[in-house]
Amino acid sequence: NAGVTQTPKFQVLKTGQSMTLQCAQDMNHNSMYWYRQDPGMGLRLIYYSASEGTTDKGEVPNGYNVSRLNKREFSLRLESAAPSQTSVYFCASTRTGGRSNTGELFFGEGSRLTVL
Amino acid sequence: KNEVEQSPQNLTAQEGEFITINCSYSVGISALHWLQQHPGGGIVSLFMLSSGKKKHGRLIATINIQEKHSSLHITASHPRDSAVYICAVRFLTGGGADGLTFGKGTHLIIQP
Repeated sequence: NAGVTQTPKFQVLKTGQSMTLQCAQDMNHNSMYWYRQDPGMGLRLIYYSASEGTTDKGEVPNGYNVSRLNKREFSLRLESAAPSQTSVYFCASTRTGGRSNTGELFFGEGSRLTVL
Repeated sequence: KNEVEQSPQNLTAQEGEFITINCSYSVGISALHWLQQHPGGGIVSLFMLSSGKKKHGRLIATINIQEKHSSLHITASHPRDSAVYICAVRFLTGGGADGLTFGKGTHLIIQP
C-alpha cells in the first residue's frame, strides 16, 4: 500500500519557468490537499479538493493552479515560478472533507522546490 | 481569529526522559491531530483525537475539551524520537478552507 505518492522529490527552477507537482493516493480518499511548509510557519493550505472535479482555494493560492484529474490524482502547477515559491510542498489526503470530518490525514513525502 | 499555539517551540532532552508537548487552541473543535515530521522527511499522522486519551507504544495523547488543550507525551524517550511534532486542529467554525489550522511545530531533540 503506497499511500500518498508525490513527484518530484526535488526540483530547481529558474524564475519564470513552469512545472507541475504530481500527487496520487491509492486509499480511495475523497479529499486531497496541497500545502506548503516554510521555516517558522505552520503548514499553509494552497488548494483543496473535496471530490473529483471540485477544487477550492486555500490560504495562499496565488501563483498556483490545481487539477483533480480523477479520484486518485491531484496536481499542483506553477505557471511562472517566483523565488517566493521556494518551499517544501506536501500533498495530503483524507477519507472525507469538511469541518465534521474526523478522518486521519495521510501525507506524501514532500517535494522540495527551489526557485532561483 | 482561530489559533493554535504549541509549546515549547524547541525542546532538548536526554535519552530516557519523559517528554510533554502542549497544544492550545482558541475555540471549539471537531478533531485534533498530532503529526510527526523527521528531518528532511515526510509527515506522519500519530493520533487523531476528539476526546479523552489515546496510546500507541511509548506515545500518549490526551485532550481536554473544556480547557481547549492537548498534550503529547513520550515515555522513555529515544534519539529516534527526535523530530518536529505538529498539532493540527479542525475548528467547528473558521479555520482554513479545509477546516484545518496547523501549529508551528515543536522541534524535539533527544540526546543519547
